[in-house]
Amino acid sequence: QKEVEQDPGPLSVPEGAIVSLNCTYSNSAFQYFMWYRQYSRKGPELLMYTYSSGNKEDGRFTAQVDKSSKYISLFIRDSQPSDSATYLCAMRSGGYQKVTFGTGTKLQVIP
Amino acid sequence: DAGVIQSPRHEVTEMGQEVTLRCKPISGHDYLFWYRQTMMRGLELLIYFNNNVPIDDSGMPEDRFSAKMPNASFSTLKIQPSEPRDSAVYFCASSDRDTQETQYFGPGTRLLVL
Repeated sequence: QKEVEQDPGPLSVPEGAIVSLNCTYSNSAFQYFMWYRQYSRKGPELLMYTYSSGNKEDGRFTAQVDKSSKYISLFIRDSQPSDSATYLCAMRSGGYQKVTFGTGTKLQVIP
Repeated sequence: DAGVIQSPRHEVTEMGQEVTLRCKPISGHDYLFWYRQTMMRGLELLIYFNNNVPIDDSGMPEDRFSAKMPNASFSTLKIQPSEPRDSAVYFCASSDRDTQETQYFGPGTRLLVL
């Protein structure tokens, strides 16, 4: 079993829809949780990060972490065609730089 | 800042040849990471350096792979001899102590081994 599981999709939604992207993990030592966005033929770029459990909001994006369930989510409100990309969850334990990535979910927002 | 710079952007080689990938991290960053991305396995950490010193190379698949960081502004990942299963996109990323949650990725090197 992988440490981080993520549905690869693809996920196709109409413009304006609310998108929910999720990851589960098995390592209870993970404390830092990130979401990266990767456009086609580009390197990943950090979208959001949260520490421990809770919610974090940034514009149309909300990240949620439920450590008790080992489950993290990224919500995108009012999705736009420019949100079409692959979204990778990532996480690491405290005091250690090694980040473990999910395999990514490919999202397509249709105009 | 130009961001993380990688070269070459594309590499096509024949099985058995030596391949050298290059990376220039963002100036001032003290962490450097090498990743490999494939459809099947996603993004995998191969090795990372802190202040030019290799810290964790447990992700290096086998002895054919080696990485060096001779100074703060340059790193190489070498595959010798290359095999078709090494075909992937190789990313270099860098970060600094103060913003360690943010790894800045380069554009990647697309490697195809025939």
